[in-house]
Amino acid sequence: KAGVTQTPRYLIKTRGQQVTLSCSPISGHRSVSWYQQTPGQGLQFLFEYFSETQRNKGNFPGRFSGRQFSNSRSEMNVSTLELGDSALYLCASSSSGRGLAGSSYNEQFFGPGTRLTVL
Amino acid sequence: AQSVAQPEDQVNVAEGNPLTVKCTYSVSGNPYLFWYVQYPNRGLQFLLKYITGDNLVKGSYGFEAEFNKSQTSFHLKKPSALVSDSALYFCAVTISGSARQLTFGSGTQLTVLP
Repeated sequence: KAGVTQTPRYLIKTRGQQVTLSCSPISGHRSVSWYQQTPGQGLQFLFEYFSETQRNKGNFPGRFSGRQFSNSRSEMNVSTLELGDSALYLCASSSSGRGLAGSSYNEQFFGPGTRLTVL
Repeated sequence: AQSVAQPEDQVNVAEGNPLTVKCTYSVSGNPYLFWYVQYPNRGLQFLLKYITGDNLVKGSYGFEAEFNKSQTSFHLKKPSALVSDSALYFCAVTISGSARQLTFGSGTQLTVLP
């Protein structure tokens, strides 16, 4: 199976612009989560989508939004970019259903990330 | 609220020696615990997880981790380190349920010296 793919891999934007990042999950995976990774704050959860619905959201301002399409591909959008939005944005996909020993959790598989630089 | 602590920013070990990367967690409820590894300019790769069952979990590339409920720890171990194990390691936790909101530790840079 192909892994999680993210496009573009690198982006340079200026303050005030907006940006859209794309994520294609592993085939058959219906859950897509987004994370922001920065040297100062580490890895932080942004949001999770499942079957086109946002199921959970982290503590980020409303400038960060996302959506999921019927084929499970997901996009995240950041509007009015700030210097502090410079980060590696990681997408992760996970299958639905039951995992080991009756648990309902399956591990997430991460894409290579999109490196966003805001100037 | 859930949290993860990785008390060591950096761990150095000689090739062939055993390695341990420490992780402690805090959650309300039953934890699901994970270890991921990140190589430079790459995403995170899944190593292993604890959901339920045996406290000793075996994962990829010879890594294992021991879940200790009384000490709220989930330390990553490997009996014999390789230079290629040098990378950034993250411990993560979530609570039982369907939400996939991982809380990550700050990461530990492992360097295996030849």
